[in-house]
Amino acid sequence: DTGVSQDPRHKITKRGQNVTFRCDPISEHNRLYWYRQTLGQGPEFLTYFQNEAQLEKSRLLSDRFSAERPKGSFSTLEIQRTEQGDSAMYLCASSPTGVETQYFGPGTRLLVL
Amino acid sequence: AQSVTQLGSHVSVSEGALVLLRCNYSSSVPPYLFWYVQYPNQGLQLLLKYTSAATLVKGINDFEAEFKKSETSFHLTKPSAHMSDAAEYFCAVGYTGFQKLVFGTGTRLLVSP
Repeated sequence: DTGVSQDPRHKITKRGQNVTFRCDPISEHNRLYWYRQTLGQGPEFLTYFQNEAQLEKSRLLSDRFSAERPKGSFSTLEIQRTEQGDSAMYLCASSPTGVETQYFGPGTRLLVL
Repeated sequence: AQSVTQLGSHVSVSEGALVLLRCNYSSSVPPYLFWYVQYPNQGLQLLLKYTSAATLVKGINDFEAEFKKSETSFHLTKPSAHMSDAAEYFCAVGYTGFQKLVFGTGTRLLVSP
């Protein structure tokens, strides 16, 4: 039974560069979520998809952030013109429709220098 | 609006001692409540959840939590701590029809021999 996977696990980039993260949810989970976790804090919701439709975005998701789930399977989160404040752990989770439990991946840790 | 308060950013116990991690929530509708555990540089693993069935919920690794509506609490307990329980614990709240989870700031459990 494969869990949620995320790639890469770690990313170091320079300020101003673009980065893209990938999330593969548990097979047949049609809901997919992105969260951001900064040091010493709990995860904060960014956005979620029902199949390929992006149904909610947090105010934390500035114009520099974009998320896609083109075929309702894997998802990508892109950050353009990264800033040092973007340094965080980016977590992906998935769930079946109608089930409230979200299953989390291992996260992608981003460091912006 | 939903919110979660975890009292105590750090809790220290001796191996074999009782573990008590506190969580209070605020929700205008009947909530779903979760405890997740996070080991260093890893994602979140579900420990247990409350979804309006039994108020005493049992989870993995002998953890349990009791939902107390009158106190708006969902404290996590374990009768006897193991060294392997040392980790960060997060309480989260959600509810039907609102897909994001709202997390507390976490409690780091330290277990000494």
